[in-house]
Parts: sequence; C-alpha cells; structure tokens
Amino acid sequence: SQQGEEDPQALSIQEGENATMNCSYKTSINNLQWYRQNSGRGLVHLILIRSNEREKHSGRLRVTLDTSKKSSSLLITASRAADTASYFCATGGGYQKVTFGIGTKLQVIP
Amino acid sequence: GAGVSQSPSNKVTEKGKDVELRCDPISGHTALYWYRQSLGQGLEFLIYFQGNSAPDKSGLPSDRFSAERTGGSVSTLTIQRTQQEDSAVYLCASRASGQGAFWELFFGEGSRLTVL
Repeated sequence: SQQGEEDPQALSIQEGENATMNCSYKTSINNLQWYRQNSGRGLVHLILIRSNEREKHSGRLRVTLDTSKKSSSLLITASRAADTASYFCATGGGYQKVTFGIGTKLQVIP
Repeated sequence: GAGVSQSPSNKVTEKGKDVELRCDPISGHTALYWYRQSLGQGLEFLIYFQGNSAPDKSGLPSDRFSAERTGGSVSTLTIQRTQQEDSAVYLCASRASGQGAFWELFFGEGSRLTVL
C-alpha cells in the first residue's frame, strides 16, 4: 500500500514560476524524503527532512514538514524546463521498508 | 559499476512464461529493494532485503512472485506464469548502512516487462 499521497497529481507551470507539491502520510515517521523521476528513468534522491525538523533548504528546493498534520511540502523556486519530472515523497528507511506516494507530475513550460 | 545495474532493460514475454529480472546493487550496500511501477503510476513496494535478516516480502502480490539475494549482493526477481497485469517497470534500489548514509535509496534504471 502507498504510505504517502501527493497532491496535486499533475501540475503545469511556466518557467520561472514556483512549483509547490504536497504529501500526506498516515503513520508516524522518523524522516521523509523527496525523490525525482525523469520520464523512463529511475528515481533520484533530492532531500531528506527529519521528524524533528520543520524546514530544510537545498539550492532551489525548500521542504517543510508538519508532523501534527502528517504532511510535507516541496517547493521548487524559479522553475526551469529541466525540472519537468515526477516528484515522489517517501517514508520509512533504516531497518524498515521505504514506501512511496503516487507522485506529482510536474511540467514546466519554457 | 558505480550505480545500481538492472537487466534486462526491456523484456517482452508471452503470457504464461516465467521471467527473471536481475539487480546488481552498489558494492557494499546492505539493503536492497524491489518496486513495481505501472504506466504513469506510483511505486508499489514488493520486497526488501536487509543484510542477513529475513526479507520483508509483504508487498509481493501473489505466490507467482519471488525474489532472492545471493551472497548479500545480486538479487533476482522471478515471476512465474506471467499475466498481462504483470506488465510494468520493475525498479531495484539499494542503500548503504551507517550514519549519514542510512536513508537514501539509489535506484537502477528499471526493467520494463511487457507480457503479451
């Protein structure tokens, strides 16, 4: 079963705009990760946020985590056409299985 | 190699045949995962190997699916008597152990299976 659910499932924006994707999960977590998948490729790890963190930045990425609402958001600022991909949140890891959400398909229009 | 390697990259088979998909994880990675991704969908967890522990097989959809990991390295996912609904991309990922490397999964490019 899928632990996380991303929304929106699809998002289309113009280059230069910001893209925000949300993830909700069901059980308690130690951390939450975001991954990116280019069409027809494997997933690539973007960023991890621990359960005791509320916000984390990496380059143009900003991730927030609200454990009381069991939700996380991924913000990509100043989007580029190359950011076009699917984005997944994932929970678990360590000695537990890692489960992924259904993903948000982002299209950035040049 | 430097990354996770999966083979074959593409496999077309007839309904009822058995298939084997192979995953070579990054050298030294103790954890290995298999996922299934149907067209345009999310990742469905199948099975998880961690070191010498018993694997977590809770995601295997039926007894036609099995996986093994030999010598703590290479893994093979076997699907017996394939059905058309088995058509999907099968993704393998591995993970290191130890502080600072305990969480991130490294994925292969996947094996695309088409059952006719």
